[in-house]
Amino acid sequence: NAGVTQTPKFRVLKTGQSMTLLCAQDMNHEYMYWYRQDPGMGLRLIHYSVGEGTTAKGEVPDGYNVSRLKKQNFLLGLESAAPSQTSVYFCASRDPPPGQTNYGYTFGSGTRLTVV
Amino acid sequence: AQKITQTQPGMFVQEKEAVTLDCTYDTSDPSYGLFWYKQPSSGEMIFLIYQGSYDQQNATEGRYSLNFQKARKSANLVISASQLGDSAMYFCAMTHSGTYKYIFGTGTRLKVLA
Repeated sequence: NAGVTQTPKFRVLKTGQSMTLLCAQDMNHEYMYWYRQDPGMGLRLIHYSVGEGTTAKGEVPDGYNVSRLKKQNFLLGLESAAPSQTSVYFCASRDPPPGQTNYGYTFGSGTRLTVV
Repeated sequence: AQKITQTQPGMFVQEKEAVTLDCTYDTSDPSYGLFWYKQPSSGEMIFLIYQGSYDQQNATEGRYSLNFQKARKSANLVISASQLGDSAMYFCAMTHSGTYKYIFGTGTRLKVLA
């Protein structure tokens, strides 16, 4: 019963390098999200998906791309990493019935990314 | 605009005392949900408590209660009998029935003193 698994947990990148963060969930959730957490700014939504094959931009999408080829996986890509992308990245999923607000996120454990 | 505001960057509380963490929100949608999450130093996000906009009573979960004042648009978290393990960052969040995204506040870092 893994829930939401993020890999890797830590990564250091050089400016200009690319990488992909993987989020996998085993709860058959339709909705998946990528957030970044920065000191004093809380969690900000990067991209999200409302089902397999769909993606949408969140609050801070620039510099990131995502894909949801399989329902259980949501990938976050950085094509050319910048120091401003140093952050902790959280993946989350949920599956609420339409109109219901009382379903919380299941979060992954986070990925700490440093871009030097 | 939909917004969550947490005005206390940091709080201290003596062990075994109660503490209130403030959260105010702004929305024009009549149907919404309010959540509190705890983030200990290990980094994971732990769900604490939920309050729906139509709920008549304040939510409670063990030592956690949510002081929901709809007219004031506030959803303060009350932790009774604080423990050292309560030291963490606490986030208030909101979602709406018309969307499945959360909006988070900037968080309050709580330190429980022995």
